[in-house]
Amino acid sequence: DAGVIQSPRHEVTEMGQEVTLRCKPISGHNSLFWYRQTMMRGLELLIYFNNNVPIDDSGMPEDRFSAKMPNASFSTLKIQPSEPRDSAVYFCASSSTGLAGMTQYFGPGTRLTVL
Amino acid sequence: SQELEQSPQSLIVQEGKNLTINCTSSKTLYGLYWYKQKYGEGLIFLMMLQKGGEEKSHEKITAKLDEKKQQSSLHITASQPSHAGIYLCGADGIGKTSYDKVIFGPGTSLSVIP
Repeated sequence: DAGVIQSPRHEVTEMGQEVTLRCKPISGHNSLFWYRQTMMRGLELLIYFNNNVPIDDSGMPEDRFSAKMPNASFSTLKIQPSEPRDSAVYFCASSSTGLAGMTQYFGPGTRLTVL
Repeated sequence: SQELEQSPQSLIVQEGKNLTINCTSSKTLYGLYWYKQKYGEGLIFLMMLQKGGEEKSHEKITAKLDEKKQQSSLHITASQPSHAGIYLCGADGIGKTSYDKVIFGPGTSLSVIP
């Protein structure tokens, strides 16, 4: 299995520009998670989907952030307009919901720098 | 997250030494996960402990869940340089009676000196 795939791995953009991060979950997994990691705040859950439906988006910072999951094999996280404080590593994770909880498998992350 | 604390914040040990990392929740939890992260990389799943108290081992790493104390410990025996990295605990169902979403602790940075 290829694992969770994220693209791009690195993104450098200027303040005000639109940024789109992409994620392909592990085939067969029905839950997908977007996280943000910074030195100051650690690993924060932004939003998660179950069967392509957003379940909890309480971690999305503000209206500039939006996430979609049009099908079981693809999700995007968009930031528009981007700001320097959005600089972080963004992780996507997927899991297969079962009786034993949800062990999440993480992608390699996208390192975003907003100048 | 203030709901989940880890100690110590960082740890430097000599190769071959044993070490323990702790993860404490301010509320009851339903499941506890341990992950390892190397700088610039994603999180690697180590093991999951379920409500009810449990102990699991994988190679030289053992994790325990003390349900009453709302605490988990990760113990590494005879540490090796390959064990170096950041260890994060994640708690599921904090303050709930079922699985909900995972909240992660701040992480413990481990360095192993050859």
